[in-house]
Amino acid sequence: DSGVTQTPKHLITATGQRVTLRCSPRSGDLSVYWYQQSLDQGLQFLIQYYNGEERAKGNILERFSAQQFPDLHSELNLSSLELGDSALYFCASSGRLADQETQYFGPGTRLLVL
Amino acid sequence: AQSVTQPDIHITVSEGASLELRCNYSYGATPYLFWYVQSPGQGLQLLLKYFSGDTLVQGIKGFEAEFKRSQSSFNLRKPSVHWSDAAEYFCAVLTGTASKLTFGTGTRLQVTL
Repeated sequence: DSGVTQTPKHLITATGQRVTLRCSPRSGDLSVYWYQQSLDQGLQFLIQYYNGEERAKGNILERFSAQQFPDLHSELNLSSLELGDSALYFCASSGRLADQETQYFGPGTRLLVL
Repeated sequence: AQSVTQPDIHITVSEGASLELRCNYSYGATPYLFWYVQSPGQGLQLLLKYFSGDTLVQGIKGFEAEFKRSQSSFNLRKPSVHWSDAAEYFCAVLTGTASKLTFGTGTRLQVTL
């Protein structure tokens, strides 16, 4: 158990809908990262937040957005969903002083868009 | 831009046999390198990491990896594979200036009894 929690574990929705994925980082970690894992694209970095501020952006679509709250949990919002958004979405966290470069991953949220 | 190549998509080994999974990276400076394992339906578990120092690093579950700068490689090894090691293995690189991990395409390990 990495200490990173993600909810929900599974999500089934329809095209055009909007969903919110939630992530709680390990205790003490200030950074949260979001990754998407799909069959055609592999594991892709989406976005990073550090202590509430956006720190880095990757291949994140404009339909997707994220935020990190004062209690450091993060949410990834996916809107106008398309079939191709079906994927496994991972959250990771890092930030403890002695181990800042290491990212620890949650169990993921599997999204299926029908 | 940094990149990671895992040339073997799928590897099958017998239980008790040795294992080596290949990983090559492309990055100008000294990279931070990681191996993660993903069991079916599970998240990514950190096996080991290399930042600097001793080029042979030990990880969990009996795995080790060797950083070879001259070959831009960071191969994962295990002397004796167990059936429970069947999973997908990902090599990843973290650059010094960016925070993101760049992953390879993964190697799926099958273990035969």
